[in-house]
Amino acid sequence: AQKVTQAQTEISVVEKEDVTLDCVYETRDTTYYLFWYKQPPSGELVFLIRRNSFDEQNEISGRYSWNFQKSTSSFNFTITASQVVDSAVYFCARRGINDYKLSFGAGTTVTVRA
Amino acid sequence: AAGVIQSPRHLIKEKRETATLKCYPIPRHDTVYWYQQGPGQDPQFLISFYEKMQSDKGSIPDRFSAQQFSDYHSELNMSSLELGDSALYFCASSFAREGAKNIQYFGAGTRLSVL
Repeated sequence: AQKVTQAQTEISVVEKEDVTLDCVYETRDTTYYLFWYKQPPSGELVFLIRRNSFDEQNEISGRYSWNFQKSTSSFNFTITASQVVDSAVYFCARRGINDYKLSFGAGTTVTVRA
Repeated sequence: AAGVIQSPRHLIKEKRETATLKCYPIPRHDTVYWYQQGPGQDPQFLISFYEKMQSDKGSIPDRFSAQQFSDYHSELNMSSLELGDSALYFCASSFAREGAKNIQYFGAGTRLSVL
C-alpha cells in the first residue's frame, strides 16, 4: 500500500504561535494528488487544499500555508498565528491518478490554548 | 452553496439489526464515496459509485451493500450489525469530469452506535 504518514499524533500550542504539521507519503505513481482536510470537534471533514504532483509551488491562503517537496515526498502544512478555532484533527491524504479513493494519514490533533 | 447531505446524523441500533444510511451529493456531482471512521482512526474507504455503477471497492464487509440511484443519491445498507460497526460514516461527492484531480467534498457524517 502507498502510505501517508503523519508522524505527529498531537500538537498543543498557545494562541498566536505557529504550528507545522508534517506529512510524508509513499508513491509509485508519477502523477498523484495530495490533500489536506480539517476535522473540527463537530466531526465534519472540511477540504482545505489540493496539490498535484507536478506543481511544487508553495501556497498560502490567509494564515495557512503549504510546503510541497517532491524530493522528500513531503507535503507540510503550517498555521501561522494560530487561533483557538484552529483546534481540530488535520488529515493529509493522497490519491493516485487511477484511484477513486483517498488514502488518509492517521491525522494530527492540534489543540490551541487561549 | 449546497453541500453533501447525510441522514440520519445519529443512529443507534442493537446487534444483529440493520441500518440504512443516506447520502445526497452536491448538485451536479455524479460520483459518491463512502468512508468509515472508527474512534480515533482515519477515514477508511468503503465503496464508490459513478453514474450509478460501482467504481471502486475498499474494505467493505459483505454484510454491507450500497447503491446509487438515478437522482445520484446513494444509500449504504448494513445488516447483521456488530459492535465493531460503531463508527462515523462519511459520504463524499465529486464531479467526475474533473478527472483524477477532482475534490471530494464530505458530508457531516452519520454517527452509528451499535449496542
